[in-house]
Amino acid sequence: DIVMTQSPDSLAVSLGERATITCKSSQSLLYSPNNKNSLAWYQQKPGQPPKLLFSWASTRKSGVPDRFSGGGSGTEFTLTINSLQAEDVAVYYCQQYYSSVLTFGGGTKVEIK
Amino acid sequence: EVRLVQSGAEVKKPGESLKISCQASGFSFTSYWIAWVRQTPGKGLEWIGVVYPGDSDTRYSPAFQGQVTISADRSVGIAYLQWTNLQAPDTAVYYCAICYSTIPARPHWFDFWGQGTLVTVSS
Repeated sequence: DIVMTQSPDSLAVSLGERATITCKSSQSLLYSPNNKNSLAWYQQKPGQPPKLLFSWASTRKSGVPDRFSGGGSGTEFTLTINSLQAEDVAVYYCQQYYSSVLTFGGGTKVEIK
Repeated sequence: EVRLVQSGAEVKKPGESLKISCQASGFSFTSYWIAWVRQTPGKGLEWIGVVYPGDSDTRYSPAFQGQVTISADRSVGIAYLQWTNLQAPDTAVYYCAICYSTIPARPHWFDFWGQGTLVTVSS
C-alpha cells in the first residue's frame, strides 16, 4: 500500500496568517496519461464528515474558498490556507488514488493561536 | 440535491452480525462508485471498499477483504455494509461516500459523504 505521511500533526496559526500542511507519499502519485498527481485533500470539522477540497492535487472543488490552495508533485504535496479564518479550524487529510488501494494521511489539526 | 443518509447508531455484542445502510438520492445511483470508509481515533480514516451499483462490481481493501461485505440494491438506491462476526476493534464511525472516477473501473476521490454511522461493539 502507498503510505501517506502528513506533517505537522497539529498547528496553531493566528487569524489572518498562513497555514501550510505537508503530505508525503511513499511513491510517486504522478499519473502519466494525464500528467496529473492522484491526490485529494479533505477538511473535517468536529462532528461532521470530511468534505472534499481538492482533487488532482490542485483542482479546487466548486465552492471552496480561494484562500485554500493545493500544490506539489510526485511524492510531496502541500495544502495552504492563506489568511486563516475562524471557520477553517478543522482536521485536514490527504488521500492518494494512484493505487487501487486508496489510502489517507493521518490528518493535521489546524487551530487558532 | 445530492444526499447520502445513513442508518442510525448501533450497539452490538462481540460475535453478532450487523448490516448498516446508506440511502442515496439526488444523483444517478447506478453511475457512481459508492465507498465505505472507517474512522477511528487510533487509525484515522481507512478505505474499506467500494461497490458500483450499475453492475454490482465490488472492490475491497486487502485489510478488510473477508471481514465485511459491501452490496447495493439499485432498485431502491441503497448501499450496505455488513458484518457476520463483529469484534471490539470494529468499533468506529463508518461513512459512505460517492467515490468519483475519471478512469473506468478505478475509484478515485470521495466527492460527497454521508453523515456517518457509529458502531459500538462491547460486551
